[in-house]
Amino acid sequence: EGQLLESGGGLVQSGGSLRVSCVASGFTFSSHAMTWLRQAPGKGLEWVSGISGSGGSTYYADSVKGRFTIFRDNSKNTLFLQMNSLRAEDTAEYYCVKDPTTVTTGYFDLWGRGTLVTVSS
Amino acid sequence: DIVMTQSPDSLPVSLGERATINCKSSQTILHSSNNKNALAWYQRKPGQPPKLLIYWASTRESGVPDRFSGSGSGTDFTLTISSLQAEDVAVYYCQHYHSNPITFGQGTRLEIK
Repeated sequence: EGQLLESGGGLVQSGGSLRVSCVASGFTFSSHAMTWLRQAPGKGLEWVSGISGSGGSTYYADSVKGRFTIFRDNSKNTLFLQMNSLRAEDTAEYYCVKDPTTVTTGYFDLWGRGTLVTVSS
Repeated sequence: DIVMTQSPDSLPVSLGERATINCKSSQTILHSSNNKNALAWYQRKPGQPPKLLIYWASTRESGVPDRFSGSGSGTDFTLTISSLQAEDVAVYYCQHYHSNPITFGQGTRLEIK
């Protein structure tokens, strides 16, 4: 079935940078598109960014475009989200999720438990 | 952006009774690639990550009990639990994937009456 384990969250000052990671196991990582979602305290789930299985196609929410970069290392079964110019409104639990196909279908059949990013102003 | 609105926010149901959760999209989510509605349902239990229940509005994910079913078309969709079990207590979310940005409903908290 597989497992996703996020890490790298923490406290960072507004304007700072942080990189969160997600290590995948139990499935062929390169055969699946991956996505980052987030949920701010007391708010709903928000799509942040997606990437195809090869890494050749990436997608971003308008709220993070130009500040966040999604990438993957298929040799290490790891997904990354590089977050720059962080703002208080980026404070959230960040979830790594797996798409059932190589291209981004858009629904998610495996979720990680999340890593908390807190941006202090 | 497509707005997904769930109702009700909270739903008390007796064990063994039917539970029905509604989800309305602000525009059609019919996917041109296969003429199916791009809608998924997830179950989230306390302390656990969400679990996929239904995709393409009515296709049950492998391993999901058949008491869970999805239906609907156009802009109105429904998740039905035919006979509520104690382990079904959770928050349920709908999500469209018709186009980016993907968006989720606000969630419906299902509880035992």
